[in-house]
Amino acid sequence: EDQVTQSPEALRLQEGESSSLNCSYTVSGLRGLFWYRQDPGKGPEFLFTLYSAGEEKEKERLKATLTKKESFLHITAPKPEDSATYLCAVPDPSGSRLTFGEGTQLTVNP
Amino acid sequence: EPEVTQTPSHQVTQMGQEVILRCVPISNHLYFYWYRQILGQKVEFLVSFYNNEISEKSEIFDDQFSVERPDGSNFTLKIRSTKLEDSAMYFCASSRDRSTDTQYFGPGTRLTVL
Repeated sequence: EDQVTQSPEALRLQEGESSSLNCSYTVSGLRGLFWYRQDPGKGPEFLFTLYSAGEEKEKERLKATLTKKESFLHITAPKPEDSATYLCAVPDPSGSRLTFGEGTQLTVNP
Repeated sequence: EPEVTQTPSHQVTQMGQEVILRCVPISNHLYFYWYRQILGQKVEFLVSFYNNEISEKSEIFDDQFSVERPDGSNFTLKIRSTKLEDSAMYFCASSRDRSTDTQYFGPGTRLTVL
């Protein structure tokens, strides 16, 4: 059974203070790893897809990286509007089902 | 930019009543999904749907649940007899392809069962 574990559960940063979120996964065969952002009471908003170890993707202050066992979401010089819960997910072998982690709740204080 | 839409945004119902949650997936997408998120818990897969039939369903998706694509644009989730534990956010998602394509999520319907 696919497993996804995210850490830390919660992270408080000061504006401008860079940090990283971790997503560890155990899957039978990686078919991609997805990062989403979720604001309170809203649906997951797609950020990145990574398919192979060594791959990196960037969007504004966010950069996602992937190794064979984990993925990191690096946040550089975050702003208060980056406050959200960040979710990672992996598809099952059929691609039908995403297994999500518990998420990291990020708070960026001004 | 195309997006998944869901109605209603909030549904309140009495235990034992039937509810239908509606979704309009992105127009050129072929695969449709329902997930739920109980307050404070992680997002959980319910069911996937392709070519007018269920592709996969989770153990949560029992006989009380059904899905349908009644026309060319809507995708619905029906809960026949709601229970208190069905209270959750329900998210619809769609993707062009199944195997590795990105699933795009709607804003969700908050279902409250009293």
